[in-house]
Amino acid sequence: QVQLQESGPGLVKPSQTLSLTCTVSGGSISSGGYYWSWIRQRPGKGLEWIGYTYYTGNAYYNPSLKSRVTISVDTSKSQFSLNLSSVTDADTAIYYCARDVLPGTGPFDYWGQGTLVTVSS
Amino acid sequence: QSVMTQPPSASGTPGQRVTISCSGSSSNIGSYTVNWYQLLPGTAPKLLIYRTNQRPSGVPDRVSGSKSGTSASLAISGLQSEDEADYYCAAWDDSLNGYVFGTGTKVTVL
Repeated sequence: QVQLQESGPGLVKPSQTLSLTCTVSGGSISSGGYYWSWIRQRPGKGLEWIGYTYYTGNAYYNPSLKSRVTISVDTSKSQFSLNLSSVTDADTAIYYCARDVLPGTGPFDYWGQGTLVTVSS
Repeated sequence: QSVMTQPPSASGTPGQRVTISCSGSSSNIGSYTVNWYQLLPGTAPKLLIYRTNQRPSGVPDRVSGSKSGTSASLAISGLQSEDEADYYCAAWDDSLNGYVFGTGTKVTVL
């Protein structure tokens, strides 16, 4: 059974960089065949896809966030990470990591429980 | 950024059938398959329906999905208390060049 677990600071100051890591167990990122995504849910709002990466390091981002987002992968640790720069309070959200079966089709078949990140001074 | 619209809420009594609509456009639902997710506070979101009408292993057959044109639907029959949750549709969108989610529907079991 594939499991994903998000980790990282729960509080980030405005203008700083939000950094989260997702650890994958029960399946290997380096085996390929799947893509690895970040998704967020802002308070009182719906879900928003942030972007995905592949084990090769290739990444693709939501155009609305592209200028601030970097998603990277560390296959040796079975982890992938999210960096979101120049954060504002609008970036306060629950951040989820998820496995994407096939870009353009999906689905996101496994998800982490999510981690709340608050942007505040 | 949601370009797919769902009703904010839906409800039913135990045993009833609830249907949730997801209205999109030719750039998303009209061109791609739809996936549905169930969100419960504090738990990992769960995949309910993939490729418009396919159920993952473990999802009961009282849950079903369909699509017509630029709209999709999720139906839950034999409503149970554990179905009380938020539900989201999702699809790829050519105009946005990314995945988009519906606005979400909160299902209440009366």
